[in-house]
Amino acid sequence: NAGVMQNPRHLVRRRGQEARLRCSPMKGHSHVYWYRQLPEEGLKFMVYLQKENIIDESGMPKERFSAEFPKEGPSILRIQQVVRGDSAAYFCASSPPAGWASYEQYFGPGTRLTVT
Amino acid sequence: AQSVAQPEDQVNVAEGNPLTVKCTYSVSGNPYLFWYVQYPNRGLQFLLKYITGDNLVKGSYGFEAEFNKSQTSFHLKKPSALVSDSALYFCAVRDTISGGYNKLIFGAGTRLAVHP
Repeated sequence: NAGVMQNPRHLVRRRGQEARLRCSPMKGHSHVYWYRQLPEEGLKFMVYLQKENIIDESGMPKERFSAEFPKEGPSILRIQQVVRGDSAAYFCASSPPAGWASYEQYFGPGTRLTVT
Repeated sequence: AQSVAQPEDQVNVAEGNPLTVKCTYSVSGNPYLFWYVQYPNRGLQFLLKYITGDNLVKGSYGFEAEFNKSQTSFHLKKPSALVSDSALYFCAVRDTISGGYNKLIFGAGTRLAVHP
């Protein structure tokens, strides 16, 4: 059973370009969370999605950032017109549907975005 | 406001000695608490969780944590440290205000260095 997969692992973008980060949850998991880790800091919640629905995007900047989790395919975090301050590690986590085991989140290896 | 504090940026311990990584939290209601470990350029690995029950929780790789409700603490411990335990450790608590899902609030992390 493959774990949470994220790609690319490293992404370099120039200021003003778009960044697309992909996350494939563990098999059977229908809940996806995105977190951002700035250098030397802990993880900060960005957005929580279920299939085809954004449940909570309270941690996501209102402009330039968007997320989706379509019925088919991976979840995508999209950052438009990137700026240097977007440089960070972006982690995706998944959890199964409601139930005891759903208290655990399983994290992917992260995508390290560098904006030059 | 809900929060997690890890008061030590770094903990240094000699191999074979016991280790403690401290964590305190502030949430409304009953806390669901977690410890994760992060190795360089890797994602987070789940170590253990406290949901309910026995205050002493045992987890992966010989780690355990003690939940103390009166002190609002959830310190991570290991009786005998290994050099391979050197990593970044994160304490997290489930956001109890969010609508019943597993949005996590992370501490800033504590770097554990185990010296031979």
